[in-house]
Amino acid sequence: NAGVTQTPKFQVLKTGQSMTLQCAQDMNHEYMSWYRQDPGMGLRLIHYSVGAGITDQGEVPNGYNVSRSTTEDFPLRLLSAAPSQTSVYFCASRSTGANQPQHFGDGTRLSIL
Amino acid sequence: SQKIEQNSEALNIQEGKTATLTCNYTNYSPAYLQWYRQDPGRGPVFLLLIRENEKEKRKERLKVTFDTTLKQSLFHITASQPADSATYLCALDVYNQGGKLIFGQGTELSVKP
Repeated sequence: NAGVTQTPKFQVLKTGQSMTLQCAQDMNHEYMSWYRQDPGMGLRLIHYSVGAGITDQGEVPNGYNVSRSTTEDFPLRLLSAAPSQTSVYFCASRSTGANQPQHFGDGTRLSIL
Repeated sequence: SQKIEQNSEALNIQEGKTATLTCNYTNYSPAYLQWYRQDPGRGPVFLLLIRENEKEKRKERLKVTFDTTLKQSLFHITASQPADSATYLCALDVYNQGGKLIFGQGTELSVKP
């Protein structure tokens, strides 16, 4: 059972570069989310999606774009990387049923120099 | 403003004792509350869920309480073991928020043998 798969696991970028963090889930979950985790800040919601073609902003969306063309995939794009975006990024998915738990990937550790 | 707060300091206890972690929230009306465990370098893993109309939930050595009047949840681990050492996160699901889960910053628990 793959669950939620994130790639890459580690990445170093220079300021101004762009990149896409990949997230795929094989549980046919409608809901998918992206979080960033920084020391002392907990998990902060960046963007989320309630189904293919539908996305919305979370708490800290600036500097990030998302799209959801399929149920399985939910990529996160950094358009012009900044040092403030150095963080650990987690993708998560869950079923639309009431009270469903969130399933997380193991994260992408991103450093912006 | 809306806020979720967990014990900010790490919790150190002796093996065999009961660990109690706190999650307080303000300006939310959560439908339910979830608790997750996170080990270093890994994504959070779901542990327990409690609904707004439930006072207490148990699973093996874990117990969660939910007091919507105090706006607080307590998470207990009885007969704690060194393997319970991890960071524990609480998360709220708020009505009509499109499946968004909002997380606290987490409490690091260390159980000494």
